[in-house]
Parts: sequence; structure tokens; C-alpha cells
Amino acid sequence: DIQMTQSPSSLSASVGDRVTITCRASQGISNSLAWFQQKPGKAPKSLIYAASSLQSGVPSKFSGSGSGTDFTLTISSLQPEDFATYYCQQYNSYPFTFGPGTKVDIK
Amino acid sequence: EVQLVESGGGLVQPGGSLRLSCAASGFTFSTYPMSWVRQAPGKGPEWVSAISGSGGSIYYADSVKGRFTMSRDNSKNSLFLQMNSLRAEDSALYYCAKGGLYAGDLGYWGQGTLVTVSS
Repeated sequence: DIQMTQSPSSLSASVGDRVTITCRASQGISNSLAWFQQKPGKAPKSLIYAASSLQSGVPSKFSGSGSGTDFTLTISSLQPEDFATYYCQQYNSYPFTFGPGTKVDIK
Repeated sequence: EVQLVESGGGLVQPGGSLRLSCAASGFTFSTYPMSWVRQAPGKGPEWVSAISGSGGSIYYADSVKGRFTMSRDNSKNSLFLQMNSLRAEDSALYYCAKGGLYAGDLGYWGQGTLVTVSS
């Protein structure tokens, strides 16, 4: 199975900050990577697929990059509604696997 | 608008069975692969199973293989997960999720149905 790691596991940031989260796969996954945002009591929401493609309706402050084993999610200017937990997920091969999450909270 | 509504969760004793359902609307159901993903309280999501649009290909996580069976009824826009030999570690919120061009591109999720395995 492909193992996914994320760093940091948590971060504190202020409104307006630029935030970057890193995801690493234990083996190459091409660009078969998605990013999700999850708020308490809600289902995960897909933000990005194919490493860098924005899901319909997702604001352009979210961007993704990377290929192979190393990926990043960037939020260009953090807003109050962005405080949440973010997960990466690989879908290059079964079983699909998720990273452990990065919790973004208010500084 | 894509809508996914799960049902069938509940409290069951270890060793028992449950059948989850997911009613889909707002898209051509038979065209898209679907997945079940679960999330235990305070934990991250865990992919459980996926099925192709036709139902001809089905994949499972090792943790549920041989105990869970995923199926779909394209005539009724419905997805199912038959769960047998349930264990305490199967307790979680179970989501159905719609795939995209690739099965693992889980663009839409339901709100989930809660399964609790306890005596």
C-alpha cells in the first residue's frame, strides 16, 4: 500500500497569511493526488484533484502543485472560513490512501 | 446538483450485519465509479471500497475484504454496502462518494451514516 504523510500535522496562522501544506507519497503516484478540506461535523470537501486542478466552485486562493512523490497545497490568503483540517489522498492505485491530516487553526 | 444520501447505519453487536444504502441524484449514476469511505471519531478518512460504473469491477480495503460486499443498482441510482461479521473497529461514519474521470477523484460526498458496533 502507498503511505501518505503530511507536514506539518498542525499549524497556527493569522487571517491573511499564506499557508503551505506538504504531502509525500511513499512511492511515485504521478499526479493522482487530491486535497480535501474538512470542518467539524461535516463531510470532507474536495478542493483539488490531479494534484493541481481546482474542483468546480472552489475559490482560486487554493492551489496545488507537485508530481511523483511530493505535493503541496497552498492557501494564498487565509480567511476565517479556511480554518479546518486538510487531507491529501492518493488514487494512483488501490487501496486509495489518505494522509493523516493537517489542522489549521487561528493564531 | 449532485446529491448523495446515505442510510442504514445504526447500533449492531459484534459479529452482526448491516446494509448501508446511498441514494444518488443529479448526475448520470451509471456513468461514474463510486466509493465508500469511513471515518472513525477523531480519525482521518479511510477508503473502504470502490465500484466501477457498470458494477463489473469492485475493490476493497484489506481491512474489510471478505466481510463487506459493495454493489450498485443503476436502475435505481443506488449504491449499497453489505457489512457482515462486524467488529468494534468498524465503528465509524460511512460516506458514499462519487468518483470522476478517475475512480479515486472523489469530488462529491454524502453526509454519512453512523455505524456503531458494540455489545
